Amino acid sequence: DGGITQSPKYLFRKEGQNVTLSCEQNLNHDAMYWYRQDPGQGLRLIYYSQIVNDFQKGDIAEGYSVSREKKESFPLTVTSAQKNPTAFYLCASSDQHHAYEQYFGPGTRLTVT
Amino acid sequence: QKEVEQNSGPLSVPEGAIASLNCTYSDRGSQSFFWYRQYSGKSPELIMFIYSNGDKEDGRFTAQLNKASQYVSLLIRDSQPSDSATYLCAVTANAGGTSYGKLTFGQGTILTVHP
Repeated sequence: DGGITQSPKYLFRKEGQNVTLSCEQNLNHDAMYWYRQDPGQGLRLIYYSQIVNDFQKGDIAEGYSVSREKKESFPLTVTSAQKNPTAFYLCASSDQHHAYEQYFGPGTRLTVT
Repeated sequence: QKEVEQNSGPLSVPEGAIASLNCTYSDRGSQSFFWYRQYSGKSPELIMFIYSNGDKEDGRFTAQLNKASQYVSLLIRDSQPSDSATYLCAVTANAGGTSYGKLTFGQGTILTVHP
């Protein structure tokens, strides 16, 4: 059963703590993406990676970090430097021939208090 | 001006009617255009994409693109209550280089189809 998994579905953290969100795909896609969605808003790109061991900042990378050590995995760390971390985080992937046709995981809803 | 702007909602249509969702974009270099459907609390699902001027039909959905006017729309014919969702328009950044694969999303339009 191919797809993108994100865990956990809901995550609660105290302010000042770093937290890592998991994203795994078994679609053999080369590219992976992290987006953030706030209530009533569209998606904003945080980071993206076109190949293993390489990634680029998106529009709102400050306060976030990523790694891409394996093709299947693209974890996102929300650091204590991110001023407003509470949001719905979405991971997506696409293959190299259809980079813009992105398929999303179920998302992680992060609440920081 | 927002890079990708969608018609303000929410949009309410009766069952069986045509729902029309509109999107304008500011980057003239954009090449590809996408429509995603997002049910409440769920992740977006790709439903249509269009690359060339004109219309593209897929079942009850028709995407329309006019690059000269920087305008893309989605028509849903014979709307059903199950079509009630937020519809997101997404546009590519200029092709090439490190922008490859980068999408810019609109804020979404909430559609409600009432019986």
